[in-house]
Amino acid sequence: RKEVEQDPGPFNVPEGATVAFNCTYSNSASQSFFWYRQDCRKEPKLLMSVYSSGNEDGRFTAQLNRASQYISLLIRDSKLSDSATYLCVVNIGTGANNLFFGTGTRLTVIP
Amino acid sequence: NAGVTQTPKFQVLKTGQSMTLQCAQDMNHEYMSWYRQDPGMGLRLIHYSVGAGITDQGEVPNGYNVSRSTTEDFPLRLLSAAPSQTSVYFCASSYSGAVHEQYFGPGTRLTVT
Repeated sequence: RKEVEQDPGPFNVPEGATVAFNCTYSNSASQSFFWYRQDCRKEPKLLMSVYSSGNEDGRFTAQLNRASQYISLLIRDSKLSDSATYLCVVNIGTGANNLFFGTGTRLTVIP
Repeated sequence: NAGVTQTPKFQVLKTGQSMTLQCAQDMNHEYMSWYRQDPGMGLRLIHYSVGAGITDQGEVPNGYNVSRSTTEDFPLRLLSAAPSQTSVYFCASSYSGAVHEQYFGPGTRLTVT
């Protein structure tokens, strides 16, 4: 079973729409959770960390549900510039070898 | 700061050839890692290092070697290239392991024919 699973999409949404992605993880001992953004043919970059109480950064909201072992990312008022692949990342410990990446969910925002 | 740099950006190898992918960071990070990214799969850890002189294997280490003689540099060597090693390779560094933000280099696109 994969450590992290995501719906690969693609999600095609019109500008201004609200879109949500979910990601499930298999290890209940997972400690930290992140969303990374990866533009086409570029490197991943941290979008936001996901805290137990949920957190918001502008149009982006991340939530964690430990009981059901999933995290979510909500994007409000989608912009063309939000078009990218969003990677769900989970770590089960402090070492670099304990970080697991989902395959990513591809989002295209349409004018 | 340049952040994490990788060279080359693109490389084509024939089966059996060897080469070294270079990675350097100027953020004084102790942790450095190498990942490969293949279609339909998440980034997979090849090797990692927790500091100069210390390296360890990740999820998919076979066919690759690393060394860490300085804090700044973490080269990845392909010993005898195989078509299965066709991939995009990312080097990453972080302040202290998985808890903190991973800073990725721009990647090396490798094709083995």
